[in-house]
Amino acid sequence: EIVMTQSPATLSVSPGERATLSCRASQTISSNLAWYQQKPGQAPRLLIYGASTRATGIPARFSGSGSGTEFTLTISSLQSEDFAVYFCQQYNSWPRGTFGQGTKVEIK
Amino acid sequence: QVQLVQSGAEVKKAGSSVKVSCKASGGTFSNYAISWVRQAPGQGLEWMGGIIPILGTANYAQNFQDRVTITADESTSTVYMEMSSLRSQDTATYFCATGLRSFDWLTAFWGQGTLVTVSS
Repeated sequence: EIVMTQSPATLSVSPGERATLSCRASQTISSNLAWYQQKPGQAPRLLIYGASTRATGIPARFSGSGSGTEFTLTISSLQSEDFAVYFCQQYNSWPRGTFGQGTKVEIK
Repeated sequence: QVQLVQSGAEVKKAGSSVKVSCKASGGTFSNYAISWVRQAPGQGLEWMGGIIPILGTANYAQNFQDRVTITADESTSTVYMEMSSLRSQDTATYFCATGLRSFDWLTAFWGQGTLVTVSS
């Protein structure tokens, strides 16, 4: 099974600042990586797929990069609505897509 | 765009079974992969298994292979997830999710979640 490791576990950022989240795969997954945002009491929302393609309706301040085993989600200028938990997911070994443990982005 | 609506919250006794439904609308149901994802309180996301109704055969994560059965009813555009031999550690919110297009296992669109509480 492919293991996904996210870092850091918690990221404290001030509104308007940049946030950089990392996700590492235990083996190469090409660009078969997605990022999700989850707020309390809600279902996850797809942000990025194919490592760098924004899903429909996702603001341009969200960007994804990377391939192989190292991936990054960048939020260029944090807005109040961006404070949430972010998960990465590999889907190279479909249909069994494994998630990372999540990074909580909190207000500094 | 496919929309998913799940059945309501359940309270179950340890050792019993639960069956959660996920009704789809707005797409070609039979061709869409429906996945089930579990989230224990305060924890991360865990892919449990899924099915493409037209293909009929479900796929399961190893952790859930023995106790979970996923089925689809094409006549009502509904997918079911049944878990047996419930234990307290199964207390969680269970989500169904589907892809961007036919035969796509990416979990792009999600149901609202169903809270299952297992009491001893």
